[in-house]
Amino acid sequence: DAGVTQSPTHLIKTRGQQVTLRCSPKSGHDTVSWYQQALGQGPQFIFQYYEEEERQRGNFPDRFSGHQFPNYSSELNVNALLLGDSALYLCASSPRIAAGAGETQYFGPGTRLLVL
Amino acid sequence: LAKTTQPISMDSYEGQEVNITCSHNNIATNDYITWYQQFPSQGPRFIIQGYKTKVTNEVASLFIPADRKSSTLSLPRVSLSDTAVYYCLVGGGYNNNDMRFGAGTRLTVKP
Repeated sequence: DAGVTQSPTHLIKTRGQQVTLRCSPKSGHDTVSWYQQALGQGPQFIFQYYEEEERQRGNFPDRFSGHQFPNYSSELNVNALLLGDSALYLCASSPRIAAGAGETQYFGPGTRLLVL
Repeated sequence: LAKTTQPISMDSYEGQEVNITCSHNNIATNDYITWYQQFPSQGPRFIIQGYKTKVTNEVASLFIPADRKSSTLSLPRVSLSDTAVYYCLVGGGYNNNDMRFGAGTRLTVKP
């Protein structure tokens, strides 16, 4: 089992550019969540996808958008990059939770984005 | 959303038991309590999850009092490799899959 994989591992962009990050969930998982983690901070929830739809969203502007494909993989797109978008972007996958259980997310290694 | 409060940092020595307490006064009925561990430049790793009383697995124990307004992660006999940031989250229950990270507790284990 490959676990959650993300690509690329590192990325350098300039202000105003657009970026696409990719995530493949753990085998058997159908829910994908994206987080942004600035240096020294905890991960901040961006949004979650299930059944190819955005189900929940954190406090992020519309410049952040995503997509989930039929094979459950997902993309995070960020438009009009700002210097403040520099961070580690984490993808987490989870199986659909059942009644009587809590959600357990499995995280990928992240994509380190640097905006110059 | 339930907000969590944890100590910013803790120090310990190898072989000691470490207890990290998290406060979550506004926890909802269907919220679970989950703890993650994160090493630098890596994604968080699931440690343990519970709803009430005590949960134990091969790496940790989680103690949750009856009012569920706090929880304590217990790491037995820590080693240098347990140096990491530990996050307490509440949420993730059925139809409530919204889990928010706080600032975490930076645990430093010394030889």
